[in-house]
Amino acid sequence: NAGVTQTPKFQVLKTGQSMTLQCAQDMNHNSMYWYRQDPGMGLRLIYYSASEGTTDKGEVPNGYNVSRLNKREFSLRLESAAPSQTSVYFCASSEVGTPYEQYFGPGTRLTVT
Amino acid sequence: QKEVEQNSGPLSVPEGAIASLNCTYSDRVSQSFFWYRQYSGKSPELIMSIYSNGDKEDGRFTAQLNKASQYVSLLIRDSQPSDSATYLCAVNSRTGRRALTFGSGTRLQVQP
Repeated sequence: NAGVTQTPKFQVLKTGQSMTLQCAQDMNHNSMYWYRQDPGMGLRLIYYSASEGTTDKGEVPNGYNVSRLNKREFSLRLESAAPSQTSVYFCASSEVGTPYEQYFGPGTRLTVT
Repeated sequence: QKEVEQNSGPLSVPEGAIASLNCTYSDRVSQSFFWYRQYSGKSPELIMSIYSNGDKEDGRFTAQLNKASQYVSLLIRDSQPSDSATYLCAVNSRTGRRALTFGSGTRLQVQP
């Protein structure tokens, strides 16, 4: 049981490049989330998916898009990366029966130069 | 005013002491409260959840909730150097749908 997995672990992009961060969970959770974490800012919600087929914006959605591919997978896309998107990105998932208890993946450390 | 506030620390305690970590929140309708532990360079790990007023104990950890004062705390008894980490307080957010709002965390250092 791997829990929540994310790929890649590290990535360096040039300004204007695009990339997709992948997330998968094997806990049969309905809800999935993408956060970014910056020094002194805590975790901020980018997008979330309450269930398969639905996605909603969080606190900081600008510059990102998401796809809930199926119940297991939730991807985050940067269409045109900017230095302000340098951050650590975490994916999380939660189950319906345990309100709001979220479990996190290992993270992707992204640098945009 | 931030929705979830924590003292950034560092909070330094000697090994074997009780570490007390505090968190205040602004949304009176919040119902679910969590403590996550995050080691440097790692992802947040859920260590405690609390949903009703009072204390909840799990091993060396005790979470305390006071909804009237909009205050939640985490006590770590018999602190160990391995407890040295950043502790994040999280509260269910106004957007609902199981989204959480996180504080910026308190860094705890346990001195051997």
